[in-house]
Amino acid sequence: DQQVKQNSPSLSVQEGRISILNCDYTNSMFDYFLWYKKYPAEGPTFLISISSIKDKNEDGRFTVFLNKSAKHLSLHIVPSQPGDSAVYFCAARSNTGFQKLVFGTGTRLLVSP
Amino acid sequence: NAGVTQTPKFQVLKTGQSMTLQCAQDMNHNSMYWYRQDPGMGLRLIYYSASEGTTDKGEVPNGYNVSRLNKREFSLRLESAAPSQTSVYFCASRTENFYNEQFFGPGTRLTVL
Repeated sequence: DQQVKQNSPSLSVQEGRISILNCDYTNSMFDYFLWYKKYPAEGPTFLISISSIKDKNEDGRFTVFLNKSAKHLSLHIVPSQPGDSAVYFCAARSNTGFQKLVFGTGTRLLVSP
Repeated sequence: NAGVTQTPKFQVLKTGQSMTLQCAQDMNHNSMYWYRQDPGMGLRLIYYSASEGTTDKGEVPNGYNVSRLNKREFSLRLESAAPSQTSVYFCASRTENFYNEQFFGPGTRLTVL
């Protein structure tokens, strides 16, 4: 039972264009969502997050949008840079019990010059 | 400030051998986690520890044991390794603020033959 889904295993974008990474979830008890970025041979690093009471959060080139009614969130990267090439994981936190994260399967982004 | 450190970086075991993966954090976090990452599966929680002296099972605990030795250290033990435990293992610790961001170590790549 995959509660957090990233249906696109990979995405290719040209430098300077927008990258849009998508994530869907099924559990209505999730109250907080995070995006992590992972380079090869390194651990994931926190990128940006959004609370369920908001619909948008922006940090520089990165913006996360949340559509609660559709149980969908997306990460926009504008403009995309070759250094953004990495695997991006969506994660969700439940508001019940201990605050564990449920991760999606990841999307590999390739930004070409 | 090293963040989260893990040893070893790489390990090859034969089926039935045992080993312990070490993790330490210097951020004074109470909560620590062990995940495994497999292709197409994202990050799955093996065990976590909410505080020194406490541990709880995550999503995929079978075949593993953990020890929270002190606030800094959280180890993962494979008593009798199996090929299904071939994976990349990540340790993480979590902040106590609202955002509850998790900080990850660089990972241990384990191969069980």
